[in-house]
Amino acid sequence: DAGVTQSPTHLIKTRGQQVTLRCSPISGHKSVSWYQQVLGQGPQFIFQYYEKEERGRGNFPDRFSARQFPNYSSELNVNALLLGDSALYLCASSLAPGQGFYEQYFGPGTRLTVT
Amino acid sequence: GDSVTQMEGPVTLSEEAFLTINCTYTATGYPSLFWYVQYPGEGLQLLLKATKADDKGSNKGFEATYRKETTSFHLEKGSVQVSDSAVYFCALIDNTPLVFGKGTRLSVIA
Repeated sequence: DAGVTQSPTHLIKTRGQQVTLRCSPISGHKSVSWYQQVLGQGPQFIFQYYEKEERGRGNFPDRFSARQFPNYSSELNVNALLLGDSALYLCASSLAPGQGFYEQYFGPGTRLTVT
Repeated sequence: GDSVTQMEGPVTLSEEAFLTINCTYTATGYPSLFWYVQYPGEGLQLLLKATKADDKGSNKGFEATYRKETTSFHLEKGSVQVSDSAVYFCALIDNTPLVFGKGTRLSVIA
C-alpha cells in the first residue's frame, strides 16, 4: 500500500511569492495534519483537518492556510513568503484525530527554500 | 503549554555501545508519549510509543518506559549499529496534536 505522498519534493521561491504544497493521505485515512520543521528543530504543528473540517491550528500567522478535499487529500498554502518560511513541510495522515490512539504516518516532506 | 525537552546532540557512539537519549515532558493532562526517528533525507517514522504510566514501548531493540513520577520517557538501546544513525525525536500528544522535542542526532561509527 502507498504511504503518505507529498508534492513537490523541493521548491524554491522568492520572498513575497505564494506557494501551494500537496499531500495525499494513506488510503482510508480521513485526518491530515501539517507540520513545519525548521533546520535543526523539531516539527511544529500548523493545521489538522478531519472530514474536510479544520480541527486544530497551531501558532502560525494568517499567511498560512489549508484545506482538505472530498478525497481527503490536502493543500497547504503560504502567502507573502518570508525567508523564515524556509523549512521542511511535513504532512501526516491518520485514521482519525485522537490522543495517540490513531498513529500518525508521515510523508517524506516538501523542502521549501525562500530566497 | 505542553513541551518536550530532550538531550542536546550530537551523540557519537561506537558500534555495539549502549545508547541513552533523555527526554522529559511537561503536560497539563495525561499524554501519550512517542519516539520518532528521521533518517537522512526522509520523513518521520514512529519508533515506539506508550500510552499510560509504566508502559514500556519497544521496537527494533529500542525501549522507553513512561515514568509519570519523573515525567520522563528516556530512549535506550543495548547495542547500537551503524544503521541506527539518525535524528531521534521525543514527542507527546495531550489535548493537542503532536508536540516534539528539538531532536537528538545520533552518529554510530564502525
